This record gives sequence, structure tokens and C-alpha cells, in this order.
Amino acid sequence: SYVLTQPPSVSVAPGKTARITCGGNNIGSKSVHWYQQKPGQAPVLVIYYDSDRPSGIPERFSGSNSGNTATLTISRVEAGDEADYYCQVWDSSSVVFGGGTKLTVL
Amino acid sequence: QVQLQESGPGLVKPSETLSLTCTVSGGSISSYYWSWIRQPAGKGLEWIGRIYTSGSTNYNPSLKSRVTMSVDTSKNQFSLKLSSVTAADTAVYYCAREGQQLIDYWGQGTLVTVSS
Repeated sequence: SYVLTQPPSVSVAPGKTARITCGGNNIGSKSVHWYQQKPGQAPVLVIYYDSDRPSGIPERFSGSNSGNTATLTISRVEAGDEADYYCQVWDSSSVVFGGGTKLTVL
Repeated sequence: QVQLQESGPGLVKPSETLSLTCTVSGGSISSYYWSWIRQPAGKGLEWIGRIYTSGSTNYNPSLKSRVTMSVDTSKNQFSLKLSSVTAADTAVYYCAREGQQLIDYWGQGTLVTVSS
């Protein structure tokens, strides 16, 4: 089965840029989606098809995908961005999630 | 705006069958894939499986032997059964809509505890 690897945690100061990676074998050939989950809430889609943003998601959120790594980038990080972030792909008729990354805003 | 709501027992005994139903409102259940996803406390998301409105299913290989999903289009509902549960099945269970290989709508989630 396909495995997605994320760092368990990323820390960033307010106003700086956070980068959360998602590694997978030739992930660049797949479409990657990113979800934000705050405590006690359901996940929310923040990036889809590698780099598209749903309506209502700030432009500060962006994504890229190439080779073996997809990246979620959050610019000008705010306290409200503190959350868990999950990458997701579709592989062999299955939805596959990464293990999740906890973003801490210092 | 599509809304999903999980319902079912919050407590299930070990070795018994967990049963949950998801009711979809604000849109038709037809022509979409509908998924179940779970999340143990403090852990990540695990996809359990999906069902299409035709009844076609795909299950996570790690759970396939214990999972059954069904759909009732007349009630705009779909359901999950997970048999022979253990404490490891304790989790928040989400129902969700799957559109074009991503999850675009989620239920609020329901906690199911497996305990005697």
C-alpha cells in the first residue's frame, strides 16, 4: 500500500513561513490534497489538486508537488493557523492519508 | 450546502458489531462516493472505505474482513458496520463525501468507545 510520510511537528514564529512536507514514492505523479484540523473539529480542505485553494481559504495557503515530495506552504503565519495538517492522495481505489503534522505557532 | 450527520451508539462491547448511519442533507446522495474515516484520540486519520450510490464498495485492506457498508438512497443515508470490535477500534468516526478523489464534505464526527 502507498505510504505518505509527514514530519510529526513543525514550529514557526508568527509572520514567518511554514512549510509542511509530505513524502511518497513518485508523489509528483499523483494529486495531493491538504486538510487542516483544529482540536475537536472535523478536517477542512485547504489545498486540492496540489495547489488549488477552495473558496474561503486565504491566499497565504499554497501547495506544490514534485518528485517524491509535496509541500504545503503557509505564508505570514497567524496564531489561528495552529492546527494539525494532513496530506492525502488516492491510490489503488483507496484514500490514503499522511500521518499528520502538528503546526505550532510560537 | 451539503451537511452530513453521524448517528449510532457511542458505546459498543468488545467482540460486538459497531453500527453507524450517516444522514445527508442539503443535497442528493446520488452520483457520489460516500466514505467513512476514523481517528483514534490523539492520532491520525484512517480511511475505512467508501460506497457509491449504486452500492459498489471499496474498503481499506487492513479492515476489509470486518467492514460492511450499505446505502439507502430513499432516505439519503449510508451506513457502516464494523464487526468483532476491540479497544483498538475506539475512535471518532466521520462520514464524508468523496468528490474527485478528495474529501469535500465531512460530518462533525461521533465518538465510539469499545468497552465492556
